Amino acid sequence: SQTIHQWPATLVQPVGSPLSLECTVEGTSNPNLYWYRQAAGRGLQLLFYSVGIGQISSEVPQNLSASRPQDRQFILSSKKLLLSDSGFYLCAWNEFFGPGTRLTVL
Amino acid sequence: SQQGEEDPQALSIQEGENATMNCSYKTSINNLQWYRQNSGRGLVHLILIRSNEREKHSGRLRVTLDTSKKSSSLLITASRAADTASYFCATDGRNSGGSNYKLTFGKGTLLTVNP
Repeated sequence: SQTIHQWPATLVQPVGSPLSLECTVEGTSNPNLYWYRQAAGRGLQLLFYSVGIGQISSEVPQNLSASRPQDRQFILSSKKLLLSDSGFYLCAWNEFFGPGTRLTVL
Repeated sequence: SQQGEEDPQALSIQEGENATMNCSYKTSINNLQWYRQNSGRGLVHLILIRSNEREKHSGRLRVTLDTSKKSSSLLITASRAADTASYFCATDGRNSGGSNYKLTFGKGTLLTVNP
């Protein structure tokens, strides 16, 4: 069965600092991978999805970027964090979600 | 815009009672899914119901789908304190293509089951 790993689990970063969140998937090959963000008390919003290595589609304009350097690795990045980037970030393989990373930007 | 909208926003019941949550959506879908999220945790996939299905069961969970009304309901029977969580519906639209799981979520229903 598939396993989705995300790290770190929690992160506190100052405004203007860079960001790198990592997601890896086990138990599947060539997965469709997704990054979602959940603001406090809200549902999830799709940020990026990837159907293969080097293939990234952005769903909403934002301060973040994504990369797919390997088949089962999906990375969410930012060069300079904003306060509004705070939230709970979840990686998904199809309908299955990882444990998430809680990001607080101060 | 939000595709799925759950109601009620919050629901408080006693252990042993049934809990019903509803979800409405706006555009045609391939599938509708229900998830549970415990506070501060990741999402747990509960049930997927396809657009050509009307009802699905899994243990104490029963999901219905009415595509003519663009709505779905999640029923939890004989609730337990451990069912306390937020519940979300999510849809993937017909125009998202094939098995692409680009999900659109509602804001969720916060269910509290009191012991």
